[in-house]
Amino acid sequence: SQQGEEDPQALSIQEGENATMNCSYKTSINNLQWYRQNSGRGLVHLILIRSNEREKHSGRLRVTLDTSKKSSSLLITASRAADTASYFCATTGANNLFFGTGTRLTVIP
Amino acid sequence: DAGVIQSPRHEVTEMGQEVTLRCKPISGHNSLFWYRQTMMRGLELLIYFNNNVPIDDSGMPEDRFSAKMPNASFSTLKIQPSEPRDSAVYFCASSLGQGWNIQYFGAGTRLSVL
Repeated sequence: SQQGEEDPQALSIQEGENATMNCSYKTSINNLQWYRQNSGRGLVHLILIRSNEREKHSGRLRVTLDTSKKSSSLLITASRAADTASYFCATTGANNLFFGTGTRLTVIP
Repeated sequence: DAGVIQSPRHEVTEMGQEVTLRCKPISGHNSLFWYRQTMMRGLELLIYFNNNVPIDDSGMPEDRFSAKMPNASFSTLKIQPSEPRDSAVYFCASSLGQGWNIQYFGAGTRLSVL
C-alpha cells in the first residue's frame, strides 16, 4: 500500500512551541499534500509539495520532503490554540491518492 | 464560492433502510470523490468520478453501496440496505483536473445506523 503513516499519532504541546509531524510512505509519488481537520469538519488543504521539491513554506508552516527516505515532515512554528486539529498527509501517485492515519495535535493555551 | 455542499449533515436511520447522501461539488471542478471516515479505518476513498464518469470504484465496500453523478453539479451515494457497520462520517470532495490535485472537502454527513 502507498498509504502514508503519520508519526506521532498524538502530540500535545504548549502554545508558542513548535510542532513537528512526520509522514512516511512506501512507493514513489508525484506529490505529497498536508491537510488539517478540525473536529466535526471536513479536511482543509494546507500545502502541496512536489516530488522534485525538498522544502516549502506557507506562513507558519514548513514542509520538507525526502524522497530517498520516503518521508515528509510538517513543522508548525509558534503554535496557537487554534492549531488544535488532526493533520493528515496524502500521497499522490499517477492515478491515486492515499491519506495517512493522521496526527492529533493539541495546543494547550 | 460556497464550497462543496453535502446534505444531510446528520442522518439517523434503522438497519435495513435505504440511505441517500448528496453532494454538490464546487462549480467548475471536474473530479469528485466520496470518502468514508471511521476511527478504526481512518479515511477511505470509496469512489472517484472524473467528468461525471466513475473512474475508480474499487473502494466501494460491497454491492449495497452505489454512487451516481448524473451531471457536473450533483452526486449521490446510496446505501441499500444499510447496516450498523455503515455508521461513519461520509465526505465528498472535489478538485480541478484529473483529480489528484488539491481536494476541497465538504463538511461531511454523519451517518448512524441503528
